[in-house]
Amino acid sequence: QSVLTQPPSVSGAPGQRVTISCTGSSSNIGAGYDVHWYQQLPGTAPKLLIYGNSNRPSGVPDRFSGSKSGTSASLAITGLQAEDEADYYCQSYDSRLSGLFGGGTKLTVL
Amino acid sequence: QVQLQESGPGLVKPSETLSLTCAVSGYSISSDYYWGWIRQPPGKGLEWIGSIYHSGSTYYNPSLKSRVTISVDTSKNHFSLKLSSVTAADTAVYYCARGTHGSVVSAEVWGKGTTVTVSS
Repeated sequence: QSVLTQPPSVSGAPGQRVTISCTGSSSNIGAGYDVHWYQQLPGTAPKLLIYGNSNRPSGVPDRFSGSKSGTSASLAITGLQAEDEADYYCQSYDSRLSGLFGGGTKLTVL
Repeated sequence: QVQLQESGPGLVKPSETLSLTCAVSGYSISSDYYWGWIRQPPGKGLEWIGSIYHSGSTYYNPSLKSRVTISVDTSKNHFSLKLSSVTAADTAVYYCARGTHGSVVSAEVWGKGTTVTVSS
């Protein structure tokens, strides 16, 4: 079980909004360390979607947004598209464990 | 633009040392950023291995720290991973990556990954 907890799966219909949660603790997210989010399509390297809690790299659509509060963070995807079907991972730093990834969430577009 | 390419043996015997190199093009490692390694066992999630700054400053995953060494060669513009005493549990796709500005753990630019199998 990962120190950063994500739901194993989420789903939504095209056009809908979905959120993926990432729950940590006082030694990582709650300590103020940044949260980053990645999208991994099957058979490909992960892609950075959100860095520093809420910043989008160049080229990432504004349909993707990130937020952080307390010991948790969330990734929101609006206007869901078939191409968004992928695995999503959160990541942070932990004062005891150094770099951490969440266990990953599989997004299914219905 | 920045590109990263992993290289190294695809098959390593148990108890031996896994050695991978990440060649960086389009950017000088000496300029900035942390440069890291991440792995993904078959069918499983991502695991952060560690990262290095051009000065040689390193951060490692505590669960791997006793077996991992990450080094940088600025003259060749590449950085390397060594993982000793490997077992089947170290079988994974290994990715090298460049972090975002100021972050030890994030990964903005990724290599395509290289599959390493530990087997006799």
